Amino acid sequence: EAGVAQSPRYKIIEKRQSVAFWCNPISGHATLYWYQQILGQGPKLLIQFQNNGVVDDSQLPKDRFSAERLKGVDSTLKIQPAKLEDSAVYLCASSLGGFSGRSYEQYFGPGTRLTVT
Amino acid sequence: QQQVKQSPQSLIVQKGGISIINCAYENTAFDYFPWYQQFPGKGPALLIAIRPDVSEKKEGRFTISFNKSAKQFSLHIMDSQPGDSATYFCAASMPGGYNKLIFGAGTRLAVHP
Repeated sequence: EAGVAQSPRYKIIEKRQSVAFWCNPISGHATLYWYQQILGQGPKLLIQFQNNGVVDDSQLPKDRFSAERLKGVDSTLKIQPAKLEDSAVYLCASSLGGFSGRSYEQYFGPGTRLTVT
Repeated sequence: QQQVKQSPQSLIVQKGGISIINCAYENTAFDYFPWYQQFPGKGPALLIAIRPDVSEKKEGRFTISFNKSAKQFSLHIMDSQPGDSATYFCAASMPGGYNKLIFGAGTRLAVHP
């Protein structure tokens, strides 16, 4: 089966500009996650969708970050305006969702490396 | 209480040796503990996972040991190979079906030939 797809793979922008990332999860996966991974750290969850509804966005800086998952499949994450500290890899992951068995397993895409100058 | 503490930060092992990475947690409500492997420029890949009702799980050269009373779990890589050189992350999640993962800070493993 195809994995999680993300684009672009790399992006360089100046501070105060806007940027958008796209994610296509594994087919049939109801749950989609966006993580931020700063160099040398573990991934940190930004937002989690179950189908097209948000179930956790407690760590999303909502004054500048937004995300949507229309039709419960693809998702976009936007930053506007970007700050220097937003430089990181943005990872998308998906899982079956649910309460048992392999539904817990999260599969990650290759990520988008964002550099804010 | 939501933290997962991972050690060591970096590890150098000779080919054929055993690599051991440790993690500790505080929240006893965590019910799923996966390990992820990440190569440079790639996303994390699920390696092996365990639930707190078992003390050990083995898949090939990879073993998770779980100590519920100590709130600790560890990854053992037997017969370590240069191809195992990567960053390893432990994680933990809460029950409830939404599987929000809390990641450790990572361990950079280098296996020397």
